Amino acid sequence: EAQVTQNPRYLITVTGKKLTVTCSQNMNHEYMSWYRQDPGLGLRQIYYSMNVEVTDKGDVPEGYKVSRKEKRNFPLILESPSPNQTSLYFCASSLARRTELIFGPGTRLTVT
Amino acid sequence: AQTVTQSQPEMSVQEAETVTLSCTYDTSESDYYLFWYKQPPSRQMILVIRQEAYKQQNATENRFSVNFQKAAKSFSLKISDSQLGDAAMYFCAYRSAISGNKLVFGAGTILRVKS
Repeated sequence: EAQVTQNPRYLITVTGKKLTVTCSQNMNHEYMSWYRQDPGLGLRQIYYSMNVEVTDKGDVPEGYKVSRKEKRNFPLILESPSPNQTSLYFCASSLARRTELIFGPGTRLTVT
Repeated sequence: AQTVTQSQPEMSVQEAETVTLSCTYDTSESDYYLFWYKQPPSRQMILVIRQEAYKQQNATENRFSVNFQKAAKSFSLKISDSQLGDAAMYFCAYRSAISGNKLVFGAGTILRVKS
């Protein structure tokens, strides 16, 4: 089945404890990105990648890191999480820049 | 920068009736794509319908159709014969055909379906 997977689906952590949310797609998509969803704000882009080893900041990149060493994987790293990073996170991919995004199931992150 | 505005935080519709969700956007580009995504309580983001700006014909997918007014920068979603399973958050989104580096989302509209 063609899909985007994310892990973990739920995570509760404490301030300052490094964490990684994994994202993987099996559709050979070149484009991948991370979004966060907050009430009243819709989804906002954190980082994106147009291809392997090519990443760039989105609208809200502060406090996040990404890497794209393989085409299928695009992990999101929070090196020192803070409570304002409590949110619902989505990974998404697309075949090209002119097509719709396919979203993962989301990761609910709570930072206390 | 492009922006997307959904002016209706919540809407309600009676089962089997028709409802229209509004979306306006702001851009200086002429080539772009517009989308409606549905987010049910499971939180999964599901593509409902897609419209290419260069196409004058409004997109249709079964009970879902759009009214795309390019000059007015308006992109509304019409749901006909509403069903209980249509209850969800609906997001309007814009993607540039030039840069294509992101979707710009509206804040969303919660649709409630009454039986």
